[in-house]
Amino acid sequence: GDSVTQMEGPVTLSEEAFLTINCTYTATGYPSLFWYVQYPGEGLQLLLKATKADDKGSNKGFEATYRKETTSFHLEKGSVQVSDSAVYFCALRATGRRALTFGSGTRLQVQP
Amino acid sequence: SQTIHQWPATLVQPVGSPLSLECTVEGTSNPNLYWYRQAAGRGLQLLFYSVGIGQISSEVPQNLSASRPQDRQFILSSKKLLLSDSGFYLCAWSPTWTGGGTDTQYFGPGTRLTVL
Repeated sequence: GDSVTQMEGPVTLSEEAFLTINCTYTATGYPSLFWYVQYPGEGLQLLLKATKADDKGSNKGFEATYRKETTSFHLEKGSVQVSDSAVYFCALRATGRRALTFGSGTRLQVQP
Repeated sequence: SQTIHQWPATLVQPVGSPLSLECTVEGTSNPNLYWYRQAAGRGLQLLFYSVGIGQISSEVPQNLSASRPQDRQFILSSKKLLLSDSGFYLCAWSPTWTGGGTDTQYFGPGTRLTVL
């Protein structure tokens, strides 16, 4: 079946450090890929998405590139801020499926 | 613009008591609606989805049920809560299903349920 694997957290960084959160997936066909962010006590917000191979999703300084050859969708940001502290979820939506399949989430803690 | 509401935000219930969580969407018609559960320290699991009034699909067997009495209202219920029902419940909506993979799901603020 479909699955998403994320690196385990927490990831602790200093402000202005470079961020990478790894995400790999298993799915048949050509899924759409998403990153969602969950700030403390809140629901999930869509951060970015990519719908086909080599697409790059970007938003708020975050980027992720859909790599079909490595089945990956790693999240990156060049310079993190304290306000980026949150839990980040990678997710996929397989072709013909309504439901999203989520990874277990990666908690990011940014220290001033 | 579209907005999604959930209530209550927080709920503490004893084992064996009933449950009713409500989700409403504004600013769109005939949305697809979803209930997810996030257990502590884990990812999200889809519980139910609905493509229209009275149409409910269940993804996992459990003691919860869902109903959609109106186009933009989605209710999650239980007759008798279990300890294992504790978690963070998220409602989501997406545009009317087109069969493609590009539809995005938008989430509500969630309800944190603690069963004691």
